[in-house]
Amino acid sequence: NAGVTQTPKFQVLKTGQSMTLQCAQDMNHNSMYWYRQDPGMGLRLIYYSASEGTTDKGEVPNGYNVSRLNKREFSLRLESAAPSQTSVYFCASSEALQGIEQYFGPGTRLTVT
Amino acid sequence: AQRVTQPEKLLSVFKGAPVELKCNYSYSGSPELFWYVQYSRQRLQLLLRHISRESIKGFTADLNKGETSFHLKKPFAQEEDSAMYYCAPKTRTGNQFYFGTGTSLTVIP
Repeated sequence: NAGVTQTPKFQVLKTGQSMTLQCAQDMNHNSMYWYRQDPGMGLRLIYYSASEGTTDKGEVPNGYNVSRLNKREFSLRLESAAPSQTSVYFCASSEALQGIEQYFGPGTRLTVT
Repeated sequence: AQRVTQPEKLLSVFKGAPVELKCNYSYSGSPELFWYVQYSRQRLQLLLRHISRESIKGFTADLNKGETSFHLKKPFAQEEDSAMYYCAPKTRTGNQFYFGTGTSLTVIP
């Protein structure tokens, strides 16, 4: 099992460009999450999906949209990238929203110039 | 507001020395508490959770409700313990983990 996979691993965007970060899990988990990690800030939750067909805002949702395409896939979209969105993005999944453990992907390093 | 503090960004100890990574939280109710770890070039992964009272890789963490702390301890540090450690409280009724800012532990040979 690959666990949680993310694409791309690295991306450089110019201000105003758009892109979608892809995440997939093969563990049949119901819940999926997107975090961003910034120096000195820890991981902050952007959006999460309790189950297929539902999404909810996390701590820092502004500037992002998400789609829970099916049970396996949860994508994060930046419609108009800004330098403040330069960060490392992590996708995670868990069996359920109240799950005791989250499984993380390898991360996507995004730079917006 | 929910808050978790890891006061040390960087921590260095010698191999064989005791190590303690501090975590303080400010939460309403009684959260569940977890420690996650990220080794070099590996994914973030769960290390241990307080409710199970387990010892993983020699690490233990005791929840001190009076001090609202959940410090991670190991009596004898090993080189392979060098990693980034995140304290992560989770409210029992909520849907979110709140990750601390992390402590980078370096064990010096």
